[in-house]
Amino acid sequence: EVQLVESGGGLVQPGGSLRLSCAASGFTFSDYYMDWVRQAPGKGLEWLGRIRKKANSYTTEYAASVKGRFTISRDDSKNSLSLQMNSLKTEDTAMYYCARGHWGLDSWGQGTLVTVSS
Amino acid sequence: DIQMTQSPSSLSASVGDRVTITCRASQGISRWLAWFQQKPEKAPKCLIYDASSLHSGVPSRFSGSGSGTDFTLTISSLQPEDFATYYCLHYNGYPYTFGPGTKVDIK
Repeated sequence: EVQLVESGGGLVQPGGSLRLSCAASGFTFSDYYMDWVRQAPGKGLEWLGRIRKKANSYTTEYAASVKGRFTISRDDSKNSLSLQMNSLKTEDTAMYYCARGHWGLDSWGQGTLVTVSS
Repeated sequence: DIQMTQSPSSLSASVGDRVTITCRASQGISRWLAWFQQKPEKAPKCLIYDASSLHSGVPSRFSGSGSGTDFTLTISSLQPEDFATYYCLHYNGYPYTFGPGTKVDIK
């Protein structure tokens, strides 16, 4: 069974940084692209970015709203995906989900909540 | 960037009703469209990918159709567990974008 478990969320001040992690199990992590999606409280879903697999040189794509501030990385040896978030803004407050980038986004974690507030 | 719209934004329906939700892309996306169901305080769940392919384990009362710019999600006979918010997603190039969602609630 595919399982994705996010961690690392919490309260951070505006301008601060936070690193989210996503632990994957139940599938061959290194074979798949991986994505991050977020959802602000009471709002819709926003795709944030993707990291491809080794065969595609681990290249990344980002939404304009986070490009230059957020960085996606992965460690295939640990079946782990990360999202480094810098220069955080109050509008970055959201539930953050990792998702497997297959057939659209076919499997999701349960999310981790990030709150940016002073 | 490709913009996605959905209609209606919300609807009220009864158990057993046939429900249709529409998603429209601002430019052609072939069949690179997925549908998701999200219940309150839960992660989204993939229902349909490639416009009409049913994700594993999804009941057959869900179906998807369309190509190009216009797509439809149909629930043939609404069940109590189907009351939720539904989102479409295009994956025809970057950035991916979601529709704003359609909330289906009890009439």
